[in-house]
Amino acid sequence: AAGVIQSPRHLIKEKRETATLKCYPIPRHDTVYWYQQGPGQDPQFLISFYEKMQSDKGSIPDRFSAQQFSDYHSELNMSSLELGDSALYFCASSQTSGLPNTEAFFGQGTRLTVV
Amino acid sequence: DAKTTQPTSMDCAEGRAANLPCNHSTISGNEYVYWYRQIHSQGPQYIIHGLKNNETNEMASLIITEDRKSSTLILPHATLRDTAVYYCIATTTSGTYKYIFGTGTRLKVLA
Repeated sequence: AAGVIQSPRHLIKEKRETATLKCYPIPRHDTVYWYQQGPGQDPQFLISFYEKMQSDKGSIPDRFSAQQFSDYHSELNMSSLELGDSALYFCASSQTSGLPNTEAFFGQGTRLTVV
Repeated sequence: DAKTTQPTSMDCAEGRAANLPCNHSTISGNEYVYWYRQIHSQGPQYIIHGLKNNETNEMASLIITEDRKSSTLILPHATLRDTAVYYCIATTTSGTYKYIFGTGTRLKVLA
């Protein structure tokens, strides 16, 4: 079965650079979620999109922005990178519309290292 | 979303049932209880979810108390591959969902 695809899997950037992470949801899923997981920490919710509109916002820094495109894939843009941004970034997707309850499926993550 | 409380860690012998408790005393009527697990920095894996009835699937069983203030995830025959961090999440069903991960339970299955 198709899963959530994230790219790249690994990324190394220098401080103050910009990074773009991509997420391709499971086909027919209309909702995308982004999470950040620092070393030894639990996943922290950043932001979510439903039908290409932002639906919820968590602890996402102002330096980060995200969007969901017409084909439902999503991109997380991170600017002015700091050492503390080094983390695993997970994307998840779910089919929200028309269902009373549903589950989200996670990708394998992008490991971002800022040096 | 309701806050959940789980024990920090648990051990379980291989082949035995693993019972992982979760307290969600402030859960509201429209919030489902979801369980996910994360195996060593992999993406969190969906296990099961429920509202008020007990649920069972090929991975686990979910027992929710009648007052819905707590629940227990049961892995009937734990294997070494079940060693992971298990997260209990309560999330609303209205509109879109927001899965907020708290501090889960680190389950170690012992040979």
